[in-house]
Amino acid sequence: AQRVTQPEKLLSVFKGAPVELKCNYSYSGSPELFWYVQYSRQRLQLLLRHISRESIKGFTADLNKGETSFHLKKPFAQEEDSAMYYCARSFGNEKLTFGTGTRLTIIP
Amino acid sequence: NAGVTQTPKFRILKIGQSMTLQCAQDMNHNYMYWYRQDPGMGLKLIYYSVGAGITDKGEVPNGYNVSRSTTEDFPLRLELAAPSQTSVYFCASSPINYGYTFGSGTRLTVV
Repeated sequence: AQRVTQPEKLLSVFKGAPVELKCNYSYSGSPELFWYVQYSRQRLQLLLRHISRESIKGFTADLNKGETSFHLKKPFAQEEDSAMYYCARSFGNEKLTFGTGTRLTIIP
Repeated sequence: NAGVTQTPKFRILKIGQSMTLQCAQDMNHNYMYWYRQDPGMGLKLIYYSVGAGITDKGEVPNGYNVSRSTTEDFPLRLELAAPSQTSVYFCASSPINYGYTFGSGTRLTVV
């Protein structure tokens, strides 16, 4: 079965410090990986997808097939980054499997 | 564009009651989905649809039913509400090979 693991339920980081949210997925062919974010009182929204290889709001994520990881990184955390982050993957179709999420809190 | 619209935002049901959660999208997306979000559990797929007239079960379909008579609408039906169905329900849609657009969610409590 497809699995997405986010080992940290909670992560607190000081403002200005680097952020890394971990995501590992079960290996199965060529997955497509995503990060979704849910800010307080807002709906879930797509943050980035690995196939785009883009940086959104200063966040980047590199697909590491050897380690089956798709960690989300940002060099300098900002207070507005506080949110719930979900890693997700699809394989061969549009259904997404989500991780359990990491709540990121940026300490001023 | 409204995107994905879910109604109601909140609902309290008694055990055994029925209700329909509404979901509508105006982006002409083929794919639509229903997820439930439980604390510490992430999002679990209940049902999905790849187009009008086509639906399929997800990971946790028991106790739910769906229909997709039009591209725009994808209602989720709870026939006999149980406390285990207390959750936040999210509807989402997507075009082919792209990320989801989510609705704002429905918080359901079954007492």
